Amino acid sequence: GQSLEQPSEVTAVEGAIVQINCTYQTSGFYGLSWYQQHDGGAPTFLSYNGLDGLEETGRFSSFLSRSDSYGYLLLQELQMKDSASYFCAVRKNTGFQKLVFGTGTRLLVSP
Amino acid sequence: DSGVTQTPKHLITATGQRVTLRCSPRSGDLSVYWYQQSLDQGLQFLIQYYNGEERAKGNILERFSAQQFPDLHSELNLSSLELGDSALYFCASSVGPENTEAFFGQGTRLTVV
Repeated sequence: GQSLEQPSEVTAVEGAIVQINCTYQTSGFYGLSWYQQHDGGAPTFLSYNGLDGLEETGRFSSFLSRSDSYGYLLLQELQMKDSASYFCAVRKNTGFQKLVFGTGTRLLVSP
Repeated sequence: DSGVTQTPKHLITATGQRVTLRCSPRSGDLSVYWYQQSLDQGLQFLIQYYNGEERAKGNILERFSAQQFPDLHSELNLSSLELGDSALYFCASSVGPENTEAFFGQGTRLTVV
């Protein structure tokens, strides 16, 4: 089988740094993506890690460790607009690839 | 705006009915994915098409079917609807079948009453 685990909710204040962890258990692992979804909105792509290490995109960074089956999304200089749900998604190489999403982490940023 | 268009935005229908959800992918994208998101749940992968052919299947019920047409738009057909089918249905597209990044439409909110 396969599973992805994320915390259900994280709270932080404006200007802070928050880390959202994702652990996965799956066969045919190819890479890890992160998506952001505001309430009622569409998921939007944030980052992808195909190799171990850190990928940085502005205030957001994502990390992957294949040996630990673990990744995280790091959000810096938090803003109110960062309040949203964040999903990690496994890219599987099963011959025909598809994204398998975790259940998401709701981030609440307060003033 | 992701460039992926889904219609209708909202749909209310009765149990036992059949509905069709439509998706137009971004220009140039050949791969289309359908996902279901129930209240406070993650995104459940349903099915993937690439250039008109089914490429991958997830937890899609037998009452559900989909297809991708020659112009690359896709339709998701949901039949014998049940209350539990109420959810947001998202379509996403990517250039190829090896998706590193997928672009999502705004979704169709289906309410079965």
